[in-house]
Amino acid sequence: AQSVTQLGSHVSVSEGALVLLRCNYSSSVPPYLFWYVQYPNQGLQLLLKYTSAATLVKGINGFEAEFKKSETSFHLTKPSAHMSDAAEYFCAVSDKGGSEKLVFGKGTKLTVNP
Amino acid sequence: NAGVTQTPKFRVLKTGQSMTLLCAQDMNHEYMYWYRQDPGMGLRLIHYSVGEGTTAKGEVPDGYNVSRLKKQNFLLGLESAAPSQTSVYFCASSYSLGEANTGELFFGEGSRLTVL
Repeated sequence: AQSVTQLGSHVSVSEGALVLLRCNYSSSVPPYLFWYVQYPNQGLQLLLKYTSAATLVKGINGFEAEFKKSETSFHLTKPSAHMSDAAEYFCAVSDKGGSEKLVFGKGTKLTVNP
Repeated sequence: NAGVTQTPKFRVLKTGQSMTLLCAQDMNHEYMYWYRQDPGMGLRLIHYSVGEGTTAKGEVPDGYNVSRLKKQNFLLGLESAAPSQTSVYFCASSYSLGEANTGELFFGEGSRLTVL
């Protein structure tokens, strides 16, 4: 069964600093991996996804993530944080083609300080 | 194009009362889902549907029932609400396996339920 572990339930960075949100996964088959973002009082929206093409995936708003099979990781990064990046971020994993089996991590709340 | 719409957005119930949350999507998606979100727990799947007339249990189905009588609608029911069901409920939809399914879910804005 797939599972996802997000290291750090809260991350705080200064505006302009590097954002690094960590995600490790467990899957018995090659996974699909996702990062979703949730802004306050809103639903989740897709930030980026890995579906076995390029290992470095670029998403919206300047975010990117790198799939590292050897480390079973899919960390999310952004070179320079903006105040508007403050939100909760969820990593998710599914086996290929099985969206009903999407498993979410517990989330990381990102705070951006001026 | 509304996407995924949930009603109501807020509701307060007393223990033992019943209610239904309605989810409607206008993207012609086959799959629909109900999740609950609780602090520190992430999203947990309650029930899902892979097509009109079908439903299946997710991770935390107890105390909930669902129906998918029309493709565009997915209803979540609480027959006898309990304080443990206080949560934010999210509906989502996605393409089916036979279409351009990449696992992406499209979410509604959530329904905040409080059970006293």
